[in-house]
Amino acid sequence: QKEVEQDPGPLSVPEGAIVSLNCTYSNSAFQYFMWYRQYSRKGPELLMYTYSSGNKEDGRFTAQVDKSSKYISLFIRDSQPSDSATYLCASRTESHMRFGAGTRLTVKP
Amino acid sequence: DTEVTQTPKHLVMGMTNKKSLKCEQHMGHRAMYWYKQKAKKPPELMFVYSYEKLSINESVPSRFSPECPNSSLLNLHLHALQPEDSALYLCASSQDGLGYTFGSGTRLTVV
Repeated sequence: QKEVEQDPGPLSVPEGAIVSLNCTYSNSAFQYFMWYRQYSRKGPELLMYTYSSGNKEDGRFTAQVDKSSKYISLFIRDSQPSDSATYLCASRTESHMRFGAGTRLTVKP
Repeated sequence: DTEVTQTPKHLVMGMTNKKSLKCEQHMGHRAMYWYKQKAKKPPELMFVYSYEKLSINESVPSRFSPECPNSSLLNLHLHALQPEDSALYLCASSQDGLGYTFGSGTRLTVV
């Protein structure tokens, strides 16, 4: 079983839609949870990270962690064509980080 | 400077060649990483150089060898690679081990 599971998509939405991206994880030792955005032919770019359960908001992006169900979510409000990219979740213990495989998102004008 | 710079951006090499990938950061980050990413797969950690100590993913074959000349540079030496080693090689750095700054990667093709 992979430590971090993520639906690869692809996911296609119209401009302005609310996007929900999700991951599950299996390792109860994970304490930190990150979301990265990766444009084609580029390295991943950190969007935000959270510690333990709860919500964190940054502009149009909201990260949510539910440790009881081992579920990680990223919500994008008022999605824009420039949000089209692959989104990777990641989880970390004190000693190692694991990435999900990424969900490819396309926002159509 | 808030970037991680990787060179070259693209590399095609034969199975008998020796080549090196270079990574540089000037953010004062104390940890640097090499990741391998295949298409539609998560990045896989290869090596970590943190506080002058090298940690190795033991599944990485010996045809890959890292070198850290100083705290700003991390090289990856390649020798006798196989076609299945073709991938995007990503370098990253971090100060706190949580937020990684990635470079744009080197797209490697082994022929």
